[in-house]
Amino acid sequence: GAGVSQSPRYKVTKRGQDVALRCDPISGHVSLYWYRQALGQGPEFLTYFNYEAQQDKSGLPNDRFSAERPEGSISTLTIQRTEQRDSAMYRCASSLAGGNEQFFGPGTRLTVL
Amino acid sequence: AQSVTQLDSHVSVSEGTPVLLRCNYSSSYSPSLFWYVQHPNKGLQLLLKYTSAATLVKGINGFEAEFKKSETSFHLTKPSAHMSDAAEYFCVVSASSGGYNKLIFGAGTRLAVHP
Repeated sequence: GAGVSQSPRYKVTKRGQDVALRCDPISGHVSLYWYRQALGQGPEFLTYFNYEAQQDKSGLPNDRFSAERPEGSISTLTIQRTEQRDSAMYRCASSLAGGNEQFFGPGTRLTVL
Repeated sequence: AQSVTQLDSHVSVSEGTPVLLRCNYSSSYSPSLFWYVQHPNKGLQLLLKYTSAATLVKGINGFEAEFKKSETSFHLTKPSAHMSDAAEYFCVVSASSGGYNKLIFGAGTRLAVHP
């Protein structure tokens, strides 16, 4: 069956541009998470959705970062006015409601020049 | 607060020899613990998970981990390494809150397997 998909897989942008990263979770998974993984480190939590409700955004580093999941399925993570320090792998994961196991997508590698 | 510490950033073994990747955790309550593996250019894959059932947990590809509360450890082992095991391994603790699981990852251990 289809797993979690993310697009684009690679994104190169110039400093100051806005980017939108997409996540398509496994069908039927109501929980959706975003993580950011800097080079040489483990992923760090950014935000969590339960259906369309963003229930935890405590990991978003600043107000340039936002996320939405308007219909409770596909989610978009948007970074405005990108900076070089935003360069990282952005990973999306989904799970069943209250599920312990999160299934991860392949990630989007963002490079800000 | 929950946290994990992976004690080795790099481990190198010969094919056919045992693998030991060390992890210590910190948790204010009985934790859920996981090991994930990341192969180059691929997503994170769950190897195994501990959720307060048996303390010895068996995972995929011959890996297992033992939860030791007295030592606050959750080390990952495999009796005999295979070349295909070369990857990065993450020890993870779940910070459960309000019905969802915020995963807290260690910094990772890169496993190299040489012939």
